[in-house]
Amino acid sequence: DAGVIQSPRHEVTEMGQEVTLRCKPISGHNSLFWYRQTMMRGLELLIYFNNNVPIDDSGMPEDRFSAKMPNASFSTLKIQPSEPRDSAVYFCASSLNGNTEAFFGQGTRLTVV
Amino acid sequence: QKEVEQNSGPLSVPEGAIASLNCTYSDRGSQSFFWYRQYSGKSPELIMSIYSNGDKEDGRFTAQLNKASQYVSLLIRDSQPSDSATYLCAVNLRRQGNLIFGKGTKLSVKP
Repeated sequence: DAGVIQSPRHEVTEMGQEVTLRCKPISGHNSLFWYRQTMMRGLELLIYFNNNVPIDDSGMPEDRFSAKMPNASFSTLKIQPSEPRDSAVYFCASSLNGNTEAFFGQGTRLTVV
Repeated sequence: QKEVEQNSGPLSVPEGAIASLNCTYSDRGSQSFFWYRQYSGKSPELIMSIYSNGDKEDGRFTAQLNKASQYVSLLIRDSQPSDSATYLCAVNLRRQGNLIFGKGTKLSVKP
């Protein structure tokens, strides 16, 4: 298996633009996590899906952020409109279920100017 | 109280020494515990998982779990310069199964 695949690897966008980050989890994994990592706040859980259903989105910072998982092999994280404070590395991770090891994608480095 | 807490470091040890990394968590019902290593500019990489009280050894790494004290630790024996990285503790909270990370401890192994 190729592991968790994220795209794009890097994204530079202007403030106010819509940004869509994509994730393909490991085949057979039922849980998917989106994280945001910054120096100040560390690795923050944004949202957690189990069997394609959002279980906890309390970490989503505000209404500008939304996430979907239309099927077991694809998820998106959208920011609309983007702001400079959204600049961070966004990671997607998947696990067999919510209680086992999670494996991370390579991350998307987002810069909003 | 933060859900998962770690000393931010940096922790500096000489090559060949034992590095000890510590983590505490708030949810007494947590069942799954993990240590990840993250090199600068890279994604977190799983190095150890532990689910029951006691010690678990894998090569130079030993994870220790004490659920009564809500404490999990990672020992790295014979530390090497290549072990220099940030070590992240992660806990699967009983509440909704979320996987929450501490802010990480930066380890530096000096030759």
